[in-house]
Amino acid sequence: DSGVTQTPKHLITATGQRVTLRCSPRSGDLSVYWYQQSLDQGLQFLIQYYNGEERAKGNILERFSAQQFPDLHSELNLSSLELGDSALYFCASSVDGGPRGQYFGPGTRLTVT
Amino acid sequence: AQTVTQSQPEMSVQEAETVTLSCTYDTSESNYYLFWYKQPPSRQMILVIRQEAYKQQNATENRFSVNFQKAAKSFSLKISDSQLGDTAMYFCAFSGGSEKLVFGKGTKLTVNP
Repeated sequence: DSGVTQTPKHLITATGQRVTLRCSPRSGDLSVYWYQQSLDQGLQFLIQYYNGEERAKGNILERFSAQQFPDLHSELNLSSLELGDSALYFCASSVDGGPRGQYFGPGTRLTVT
Repeated sequence: AQTVTQSQPEMSVQEAETVTLSCTYDTSESNYYLFWYKQPPSRQMILVIRQEAYKQQNATENRFSVNFQKAAKSFSLKISDSQLGDTAMYFCAFSGGSEKLVFGKGTKLTVNP
């Protein structure tokens, strides 16, 4: 158990819908990262927050957005969902922005039908 | 942009034997970190081992060790005394100044009884 929690574990929704994925980092970790894992794209970095502020952006679609709240939990919002958004979405956290490694949550499996 | 290449899509090894997984990377940064993550069938991403680029000494964690060749930009993972529980996808990852993880496409390792 990494100490990072993600909810829900599974999500099935229809095209065009909007969903919210939630992540709670390990106690004491200030950085939260979101990654997408799909068969064709592999593991891709989406976005990073550090202590409530956006720190880095990767290949995140405009239909996707995220935020980190004062209690450090983070939410990833996916809207106007398409079939290609079906993937495993991971949240990871680290204490210092990365050098000691990022610890991953169990992931949310999103299926868009 | 950094890239990480894992040239072995699949490997297999007999229980109790030793196996080495290869990884090469490309970067112009001088200070960075390298990681190996394990993803078993449960899909959880587990940090196996980390290496800081400025350290000459190769990292070791129990049965897992790395061979870090900075000039060659090579970072291989050696698993000794392979166990059935080592069966998983193994991802090599790079983290530089931007802190995000850049992953290779992974090597699927099967440990046979």
